[in-house]
Amino acid sequence: QKEVEQDPGPLSVPEGAIVSLNCTYSNSAFQYFMWYRQYSRKGPELLMYTYSSGNKEDGRFTAQVDKSSKYISLFIRDSQPSDSATYLCAMGYNNNDMRFGAGTRLTVKP
Amino acid sequence: DSGVTQTPKHLITATGQRVTLRCSPRSGDLSVYWYQQSLDQGLQFLIQYYNGEERAKGNILERFSAQQFPDLHSELNLSSLELGDSALYFCASSALSGFGTGELFFGEGSRLTVL
Repeated sequence: QKEVEQDPGPLSVPEGAIVSLNCTYSNSAFQYFMWYRQYSRKGPELLMYTYSSGNKEDGRFTAQVDKSSKYISLFIRDSQPSDSATYLCAMGYNNNDMRFGAGTRLTVKP
Repeated sequence: DSGVTQTPKHLITATGQRVTLRCSPRSGDLSVYWYQQSLDQGLQFLIQYYNGEERAKGNILERFSAQQFPDLHSELNLSSLELGDSALYFCASSALSGFGTGELFFGEGSRLTVL
């Protein structure tokens, strides 16, 4: 079993839809959680960072962490074609280790 | 633009050969990380250097090696290449000595194809 599991998709939604992206993990020592966005032919870029359970909101994006269930989510409201990308979850438990999910490919259709 | 520069962008070579990938971190960043991204394995951490010294090691094969030079640029050397080494290789940098808050700045990657 991988430490971080993420459904690779692909996921296709119409413009304006609410998108839910999820990851599960097995290592209860993970303390900080991130979502990276990767556009085609580009490197990943940090989208959201959270350190604890609960919700964090940034514009149309909300990151949710449930440590008891070892489950994290990223919600995108009013999705736009420009949100079409691969979304990777990442998590770490010390200063020298961070694990990425495989990424979910999202397409938002106009 | 993340400020991290990787060269070459594309590289095609044959099995058994050796290649060197180069990375220039963002100005002021002391840490350089190397990642391998393939379709079936996702983003795999290979190795990290901080201010010229190896700081952390991930799933890096013995055929691979890296170093960080005094001007902070880094090189990843891949030798005795196999078909399975075909992947995107990313370099990332940060100002911190460790992963810290997890904000890494990635380059655009070097796509290696081994034939």
